[in-house]
This record gives sequence, C-alpha cells and structure tokens, in this order.
Amino acid sequence: SAVISQKPSRDICQRGTSLTIQCQVDSQVTMMFWYRQQPGQSLTLIATANQGSEATYESGFVIDKFPISRPNLTFSTLTVSNMSPEDSSIYLCSVGTSGPYEQYFGPGTRLTVT
Amino acid sequence: DQQVKQNSPSLSVQEGRISILNCDYTNSMFDYFLWYKKYPAEGPTFLISISSIKDKNEDGRFTVFLNKSAKHLSLHIVPSQPGDSAVYFCAALVGGSQGNLIFGKGTKLSVKP
Repeated sequence: SAVISQKPSRDICQRGTSLTIQCQVDSQVTMMFWYRQQPGQSLTLIATANQGSEATYESGFVIDKFPISRPNLTFSTLTVSNMSPEDSSIYLCSVGTSGPYEQYFGPGTRLTVT
Repeated sequence: DQQVKQNSPSLSVQEGRISILNCDYTNSMFDYFLWYKKYPAEGPTFLISISSIKDKNEDGRFTVFLNKSAKHLSLHIVPSQPGDSAVYFCAALVGGSQGNLIFGKGTKLSVKP
C-alpha cells in the first residue's frame, strides 16, 4: 500500500479564482490519478498523470480547466482554474499498483466555491 | 448513462447480522471489480476485489459474489460490526491494468449496536 497526503484538506474560494491541490505519496509510483466527487455523485476520473508524459484527460475534462503537473514519481498537483460554484466537489488523488489492480486514495480536498 | 449502479443509497442492519450490498453493471467488457469503503473526511479504502473469471472471493468477514450473466455483484459482510458503518463504493475496471475505474454512487451502511 501507499500513504498519500493532500493539501489543502479543504478550502473556500471565490468564483473566478484558481486553486492548486497537492498530492504527495510516500513511495515512488508510476501512475497517479485525479478524481472528482460532486455532492451525491460517484467518483469521476478527471485525468491520469504519469511521470514523464502529458496527463491524459477523460471526456468532459480539459487541460485549460484542470492543468496537472507531475514533476516526479512522488508528487502531483491539480489546479482548478477559473472556478465556479459547479466546481464545488471533493477532489481526490490516487495511485495505481501492479496487479491485482487496486488504487489507493488520498484523503481528498473539499472545495467550496462561492 | 451510469455503467455501474448502486441502487440502494442506504442500508441499515443490526450488529451481528449479515449486510448485503448490491451493484449492477452494464458493460460486459469489465474485467475486474472492486469494493471500496469510505469514512467521512477520508479517502476511499480498498476492501476486496474479484476478477471477472471468478464468481466468488472471500477475505475474512467480507465476501464478494459475481453473477456475470446477470451483470450483478454483491458484497456480503458477516457478522456486521458498528465499525463497518461507512459508504461502500462498487467500482469496475475496464482496459486492463492500465485502465480506468468506474465507480457507482455508493451505499451508506449503518450497523446499529
């Protein structure tokens, strides 16, 4: 397993601003993922971030809105840009493992946009 | 359109009894299924998984059953304990080990002493 931390744990932001969420892992991992959980909804994958390559975004998510950095094998950031109230969600990072395929999740960042 | 469905948003059981959480899916290409448990203010924690080539996997008090013909899986917890109270997410993997997890909306389990 891996120990994953996220900063900040929660934030309240104003419309039109941006927030960068950090994800730190206690071991080197190849695959990192960013998810969003809107109120009452399931976890939805935003993008996959592998070190050394551009992030791969899922349908409905774009780099301009959710830029991701992956500078090394233990760290990644997700920025939520030009925020609106619809971006109010819990944002979670996770890391992949070798098979059987399980992902380990960070504690999440609860974002509220006013 | 949701590919992984958990139709019961909540479930309440008595301590010591069996908890059965259900999950339905629509995509026959899913090759691996996982259950996660989530406490408030924490990230989801991996609980148990099952490959699509199996119909049962057991780990202590937790057993997952897979019925491929019905595209249905269930998580059995027996005996249920108050510490099991959490939100349980069913997830499906598509695309092999480099694939994505698709989650259901979760079922909130309450185990009453």
